[in-house]
Amino acid sequence: DAGVIQSPRHEVTEMGQEVTLRCKPISGHDYLFWYRQTMMRGLELLIYFNNNVPIDDSGMPEDRFSAKMPNASFSTLKIQPSEPRDSAVYFCASSPTGTTYNEQFFGPGTRLTVL
Amino acid sequence: AQKVTQAQTEISVVEKEDVTLDCVYETRDTTYYLFWYKQPPSGELVFLIRRNSFDEQNEISGRYSWNFQKSTSSFNFTITASQVVDSAVYFCALDSSGAGSYQLTFGKGTKLSVIP
Repeated sequence: DAGVIQSPRHEVTEMGQEVTLRCKPISGHDYLFWYRQTMMRGLELLIYFNNNVPIDDSGMPEDRFSAKMPNASFSTLKIQPSEPRDSAVYFCASSPTGTTYNEQFFGPGTRLTVL
Repeated sequence: AQKVTQAQTEISVVEKEDVTLDCVYETRDTTYYLFWYKQPPSGELVFLIRRNSFDEQNEISGRYSWNFQKSTSSFNFTITASQVVDSAVYFCALDSSGAGSYQLTFGKGTKLSVIP
């Protein structure tokens, strides 16, 4: 089975531009998570969805960040306008619901550089 | 509030040495889950182990072993006879916001370098 798929793998953009990161979770997984990884702050949970519904977005840093999950197989994380401090690796992860706690499966990440 | 501390920022060992990565956590919940993830140089995060708060049995998987001690709020990870392929950043993580809310708090990670 394919794992979590993220695109693009690398993104370089200029300050002020809109950036859209994409994620396809593992088929059948009900939970989807967006994380950001930086040297200074480590891995931070930004937002997560359950059955396509956003459950907790308290980790989203600013209004410039937004996330959507229009269906069970696709999610986007958008930054508009982008700033140099948004440079980071953004991970998407998914997890199934079950009778026992299930681990999160991470995608390969998108390395974002904002110049 | 929940917190995970990995005090060792970087560790270097010579191949075949044993190495222990420390993880100390803080939570007020009685039900929680602890995890270890590996991030090799390629960047992806690989799940290694999950442990719930009611299971204090130590676990061994090949060269990997985990020591969970609730009394000291620690969940340490030992690699026996380390190999170059073990070189990676290792993250300890905690989910204590209810019985499986899936909100992970990660430690800052320990970078392990295994020297041939």
